[in-house]
Amino acid sequence: KNQVEQSPQSLIILEGKNCTLQCNYTVSPFSNLRWYKQDTGRGPVSLTIMTFSENTKSNGRYTATLDADTKQSSLHITASQLSDSASYICVVSAGGRALTFGSGTRLQVQP
Amino acid sequence: DGGITQSPKYLFRKEGQNVTLSCEQNLNHDAMYWYRQDPGQGLRLIYYSQIVNDFQKGDIAEGYSVSREKKESFPLTVTSAQKNPTAFYLCASSIGGFNEAFFGQGTRLTVV
Repeated sequence: KNQVEQSPQSLIILEGKNCTLQCNYTVSPFSNLRWYKQDTGRGPVSLTIMTFSENTKSNGRYTATLDADTKQSSLHITASQLSDSASYICVVSAGGRALTFGSGTRLQVQP
Repeated sequence: DGGITQSPKYLFRKEGQNVTLSCEQNLNHDAMYWYRQDPGQGLRLIYYSQIVNDFQKGDIAEGYSVSREKKESFPLTVTSAQKNPTAFYLCASSIGGFNEAFFGQGTRLTVV
C-alpha cells in the first residue's frame, strides 16, 4: 500500500530560527514529490515539485531535498517568519491517478 | 484573474439533507478533483474528472455524487447516504491527469 509519513506531526519554533520537516514514502513507482503549504482554512499552495533526478530545489527560503534511494524528502525553512505558520503537506505521485498525501506537519512560528 | 473558486466557504446541513458544493475554474484545465480533509489525516480523493461528461470514483466516493457538464464546473453533492459528512472539502484542477494541482480555498461543511 502506498504511504506517505511526515514528521514531526507539529512543531513550534521562534521567529528567525530554521527548521526541517521530514517526509518518508513507500510509493511505487515513483513519479514526483511535491510540498504544499496550507494556511488554516485555506487550500494548499504548491511550494516545490521534484522528480526522480532532482536532489535539491529551492523556492526562496524553502529548500526541498529528495533521496530517491532511501525514499526520503525534507523541507528546510530558513530564517522563519510568522507567516510561515501553516501546515506543510508532502504529496507523492506514482503517475496516473495515484496521488498519496501525507497528513502534514503543523508549524507554528512564535515571536 | 485566473483561479479556482469554491463556494460557499461555510455550509451547514441538517441530517437527511443533500447539499451541493460549487467548484468553478477559469484556468482551462481539463482535470478536476474533489478531496476530503479530516483533522490529522491526509487528503482523500472523492471523485475526479479528466474530461467533460466523464468522471471516476476515488477512494471514498460512497455518499457523494458529481457532474461535469462544463469544463469549468465540477459540483459535488453530499447526499444523505454519507454518514459522516462533516469535513473540509477541497476542489482542485490540473492541466492533465494528476499533474500539479491547483486548489480552491475549500468549503467547510458541518452537519447540525
